[in-house]
Amino acid sequence: GDSVTQMEGPVTLSEEAFLTINCTYTATGYPSLFWYVQYPGEGLQLLLKATKADDKGSNKGFEATYRKETTSFHLEKGSVQVSDSAVYFCALSDQGDKLIFGTGTRLQVFP
Amino acid sequence: KAGVTQTPRYLIKTRGQQVTLSCSPISGHRSVSWYQQTPGQGLQFLFEYFSETQRNKGNFPGRFSGRQFSNSRSEMNVSTLELGDSALYLCASSALQGGSYNEQFFGPGTRLTVL
Repeated sequence: GDSVTQMEGPVTLSEEAFLTINCTYTATGYPSLFWYVQYPGEGLQLLLKATKADDKGSNKGFEATYRKETTSFHLEKGSVQVSDSAVYFCALSDQGDKLIFGTGTRLQVFP
Repeated sequence: KAGVTQTPRYLIKTRGQQVTLSCSPISGHRSVSWYQQTPGQGLQFLFEYFSETQRNKGNFPGRFSGRQFSNSRSEMNVSTLELGDSALYLCASSALQGGSYNEQFFGPGTRLTVL
């Protein structure tokens, strides 16, 4: 079945450092890909999405490109802030609204 | 516009009991999905409802059930609770029906603890 694999955390960075969180997927069809963020005590928020190969999703300085050839959707940000500290989930959907999530990567940013 | 609301936010039950969780979607949203989040299994899809019909179901035992009302509010029920059912249960709503993905908006979740 479809699945998502993302790097384990925690990822610990200093403020203004470059961030990469790796995500790869397995799917039989042509899924849409997403990054969600979960702040402490809150539900999930959609950070960005890409619906077809070579699409780049971007939001709040975060970017991810849908790479069909490598089945990847890595999340990047050029300069992280303390406020970016959260858990990040990579996810895919190829059946309506059903989302399949990765295990999540905790990001900790220190001043 | 109010977001997705879930009640109660916290719940403590004992093994063998049953529990009902409620979700009110964003006004105008007709699709509601439920997810279970645990440290061991991560986020797992439970089921999705649209216009009072279950459209999709995850791989959970029959103890987990749900329904959707005509006003799009949804409930999920877990019977004969087990310790492993302790989790954060998240509800999400989306606006449109269709084969392609519709952005889902998540509620804050209900934290269920089974003792």
